[in-house]
Amino acid sequence: AQSVTQPDIHITVSEGASLELRCNYSYGATPYLFWYVQSPGQGLQLLLKYFSGDTLVQGIKGFEAEFKRSQSSFNLRKPSVHWSDAAEYFCAVGANNNDMRFGAGTRLTVKP
Amino acid sequence: DAGVIQSPRHEVTEMGQEVTLRCKPISGHNSLFWYRQTMMRGLELLIYFNNNVPIDDSGMPEDRFSAKMPNASFSTLKIQPSEPRDSAVYFCASRHREAGELFFGEGSRLTVL
Repeated sequence: AQSVTQPDIHITVSEGASLELRCNYSYGATPYLFWYVQSPGQGLQLLLKYFSGDTLVQGIKGFEAEFKRSQSSFNLRKPSVHWSDAAEYFCAVGANNNDMRFGAGTRLTVKP
Repeated sequence: DAGVIQSPRHEVTEMGQEVTLRCKPISGHNSLFWYRQTMMRGLELLIYFNNNVPIDDSGMPEDRFSAKMPNASFSTLKIQPSEPRDSAVYFCASRHREAGELFFGEGSRLTVL
């Protein structure tokens, strides 16, 4: 069964600084990989997804992620963080007609 | 286009009572998922359906939990009897076969006293 590890429970960055959130996965086949964001009291919103092709994928709100098969990683990045990016971020792995597993999440705090 | 609709948004009940959470997936989506979110355990997959058929319910905590999907536009998650440790936010999500990503509802926050 697939699994996802997000090593960082909580990250604090200053506004305007760059951001990288780590995600490692375990999956027997070529994975479908996702990043979601959750604001307090809200559901999860898709930031970006990787199915195949170009390993660098662009998402909404200026986020991008890079799939590295050799490292089983799918890290999320943003060059300049805004205060509104403070939220919980979830990495997920799944595939069509299969279930989807989420990591434990990384809570992002943005310092002014 | 309406998203995934969950009801109720908030439910407060007493231990031992039956709780029913409802979900309407996005029209045309053929997979539906129920997740539970708590601070301690994060997002746990409870059960998912493909074409209204339960595929994997290994995440359902115990026999007190049951889920049904009588048709493509409606699903329920029932807890009977409820216990304080069931307090959590329950999310429903749906997916179109070809799309891959899940679309989440806003969740049902359950508090069992």
